[in-house]
Amino acid sequence: NAGVMQNPRHLVRRRGQEARLRCSPVKGHSHVYWYRQLPEEGLKFMVYLQKENIIDESGMPKERFSAEFPKEGPSILRIQQVVRGDSAAYFCASSPGQLSLNYGYTFGSGTRLTVV
Amino acid sequence: AQTVTQSQPEMSVQEAETVTLSCTYDTSESDYYLFWYKQPPSRQMILVIRQEAYKQQNATENRFSVNFQKAAKSFSLKISDSQLGDAAMYFCAYRSKGSGGSNYKLTFGKGTLLTVNP
Repeated sequence: NAGVMQNPRHLVRRRGQEARLRCSPVKGHSHVYWYRQLPEEGLKFMVYLQKENIIDESGMPKERFSAEFPKEGPSILRIQQVVRGDSAAYFCASSPGQLSLNYGYTFGSGTRLTVV
Repeated sequence: AQTVTQSQPEMSVQEAETVTLSCTYDTSESDYYLFWYKQPPSRQMILVIRQEAYKQQNATENRFSVNFQKAAKSFSLKISDSQLGDAAMYFCAYRSKGSGGSNYKLTFGKGTLLTVNP
């Protein structure tokens, strides 16, 4: 009964490279959420996706960041041309649907991105 | 916009003692959810306890309980009989309950780092 799986756990990129973060939701969950945790901060909402649809990307920077949740396969958070300020822990969470939100959703263990 | 404030960056407690972590929030809504999450060094976000704003009774989960003061917009977490495994970062979080808008977003405080001394 696997939870939310995120990989890689740690990712190091040089400035200007691309970072691809993967999230496999709990089996049967069709809603995915990405959050970012900057050093010494709480988690901040980035984007909410359902299968093949972006529902809310209001928390995601307009440039260089994109997210997808295809019909098959994991959700991907993609950061192009990374800069040092992108260094953070990126968390994915999932839920089976709106009703489950009454009790919060299930988080993964995050991907720590370090930009050097 | 809602905000969540945790005024204690760090707290410490002796094993078997009781500790209270503070959280205040700001909202114009009347119905909402509040949560406490635990983040150990493994980084996993673990839900500790949740409270629905319309419920008067304070939530309790084993050694964890909350003191929810709706008028004061305060939501503190009490950990009784503290154990070494309780050492972690604790985050307070708010979620709107409204039928419209962004009721799926969690708004987090900056966290309180709890140390448990043997």
